Amino acid sequence: EVQLVESGGDLVQPGGSLRLSCAVSSFTVGDNHMTWLRQAPGRRLEWVATMYAGGITYYADSVKGRFTISRDISKNTLDLQMNSLRVEDTALYLCAGDCCSPYHFGHWGQGTRVTVSS
Amino acid sequence: IVLTQSPGTLSLSPGERATLSCRASQSVTSGYLAWYQLKPGQAPRLLIYHASARAPGIPDRFSGSGSGTDFTLTISRLEPEDFAVYYCQEYSNLRMFGQGTKVEMK
Repeated sequence: EVQLVESGGDLVQPGGSLRLSCAVSSFTVGDNHMTWLRQAPGRRLEWVATMYAGGITYYADSVKGRFTISRDISKNTLDLQMNSLRVEDTALYLCAGDCCSPYHFGHWGQGTRVTVSS
Repeated sequence: IVLTQSPGTLSLSPGERATLSCRASQSVTSGYLAWYQLKPGQAPRLLIYHASARAPGIPDRFSGSGSGTDFTLTISRLEPEDFAVYYCQEYSNLRMFGQGTKVEMK
């Protein structure tokens, strides 16, 4: 059974940094399309960033230049480095993957919570 | 593309038919629309992609239809485990999501 487990969420001050990680089992991050999404309280799901199986990365305009998606093939993990955090980045961050498309998401984790507040 | 789902909440009994709507502000190219099920404390679940293709392992009581700007998710006979929040998502543009429809037990 495919499992994705996010970690690293925390309370951080505006302007701070945080690194999220997604541990994946029964699904190879290097061979599949991997994505981070988020859901702020009371708001709809929002796509954040995707790493295609081939390694190309794409970002939402709201995080471009501040967030970096990466993968560790040896550990089979997906990471999200978040810098210059803003109050509006507060959300539940979810990791997702799909064998066949970078545009929809066949496997998901349950999320890790990030709160940006002073 | 902005996706608007209706109704916001659907109150039904097990065994009844659920019809959920997702309307796009502009045409969704090639039916690039997916549906997901979310339950509290659980990972989201992909139900439908390409507007009408069922994801692996999804029961055939779930079906998707539509094209252009109007899409529908139908659950033919509600099972107790189907009470959840359902989201549509387009992927012809920026991977935008709808605001969700909650299917609750009457």
